[in-house]
Amino acid sequence: DTEVTQTPKHLVMGMTNKKSLKCEQHMGHRAMYWYKQKAKKPPELMFVYSYEKLSINESVPSRFSPECPNSSLLNLHLHALQPEDSALYLCASRLGQANTGELFFGEGSRLTVL
Amino acid sequence: AQTVTQSQPEMSVQEAETVTLSCTYDTSESDYYLFWYKQPPSRQMILVIRQEAYKQQNATENRFSVNFQKAAKSFSLKISDSQLGDAAMYFCAYRLNNAGNMLTFGGGTRLMVKP
Repeated sequence: DTEVTQTPKHLVMGMTNKKSLKCEQHMGHRAMYWYKQKAKKPPELMFVYSYEKLSINESVPSRFSPECPNSSLLNLHLHALQPEDSALYLCASRLGQANTGELFFGEGSRLTVL
Repeated sequence: AQTVTQSQPEMSVQEAETVTLSCTYDTSESDYYLFWYKQPPSRQMILVIRQEAYKQQNATENRFSVNFQKAAKSFSLKISDSQLGDAAMYFCAYRLNNAGNMLTFGGGTRLMVKP
């Protein structure tokens, strides 16, 4: 299994809603990432979890709340989002500290905030 | 801080021809990885090719090869015998080889393949 699975693929939410994006991998990877990608732009790093601990938070607003319940799962909880938060949210994983450095990406969750 | 620059926002190539995508990067480090990722309209980022900075030999994966010039900090991607399925956004990326987890992307190049 060499997949990173993201759900849902599409999400439309209002500014007062609470929703979550989910990411799952069964490759034994111990580093997991959330990226935000706007159209025709490169992915921007949001969070990195390393061995289930938050290791990088790129000054992301608190309306985005990551969670790593175990080594296979990564969630991104969304609350009180703004229309400018509409984007493709990509999850990725990597084996760990000492490896080739390759990230495996999911297909993304396309979020629209109304 | 490391930066990655892709100077070609868009490129086009005729099917079966060869195209080269440019990438330059800025770093003071000597031990790092460089990657080319492909993102088709289906959205998933797919690794095309990987180069370790300590290796002098240029990486090759089937129709894809790189020209890695460490002193010039250049990492171009050559696609031979272009196919319609090669049409996508291509991102060059850099990662330092230490305990860090940062992957720095370039701005991307949109490749169009003409039949």
